[in-house]
Amino acid sequence: EVQLVESGGGLVQPGGSLRLSCAASGFTFSSYWMHWVRQAPGKGLVWVSRINSDGSSTNYADSVKGRFTISRDNAKNMVYLQMNSLRAEDTAVYYCGSPYTPHWGQGTLVTVSS
Amino acid sequence: DFVLTQTPLSLSVTPGQPASISCKSSQSLLHSDGKTYFFWYLQKPGQSPQVLIYEVSNRFSGVPDRFSGSGSGTDFTLKISRVEAEDVGVYYCMQTTQFPPTFGGGTKVEIK
Repeated sequence: EVQLVESGGGLVQPGGSLRLSCAASGFTFSSYWMHWVRQAPGKGLVWVSRINSDGSSTNYADSVKGRFTISRDNAKNMVYLQMNSLRAEDTAVYYCGSPYTPHWGQGTLVTVSS
Repeated sequence: DFVLTQTPLSLSVTPGQPASISCKSSQSLLHSDGKTYFFWYLQKPGQSPQVLIYEVSNRFSGVPDRFSGSGSGTDFTLKISRVEAEDVGVYYCMQTTQFPPTFGGGTKVEIK
């Protein structure tokens, strides 16, 4: 069974940093592009970033480019999102997953507030 | 900017009746490799998103066959042949053909 478990969220002050982690199991992780998407309270899904299967290519939404970095460790079946220079508008639940996995993780809440 | 437009915004359906959600893109979603990277998600209340349909019309194992996806180019449709109570939630379309990957605004489905 596909499982994705996000962690690392929390309360951080504007300008601060967080590193989100996503542990994957139940599928051939190293064959899948992985994505992070986010959902602000009461809002819809917004794509944030993706990384290709071997980690050699990454893409970002304009809103996070230069501040966020996605990475992966295929030996550990992990994908990460390093978030720097956080802003209030980054407050959201962050989900990891792939459009080719039936379930995404339960999400981790990031709150940026002073 | 690239846009996915979902309609309707909300849908109230009697159990056992059909439902249909449309998603229109501002550009063709046919990739140069011949595939169309278009997906349908369902986010049930209080839950994380789940992918129902990948590449326009392919259901994941475990997704009931009352769900079907169709379309091509810029126009796509998700149909539920007979809505059940467990189908409530917000449905999102998503594309990864064009950059950046994009979600539609969502369609909230509720039961009458």
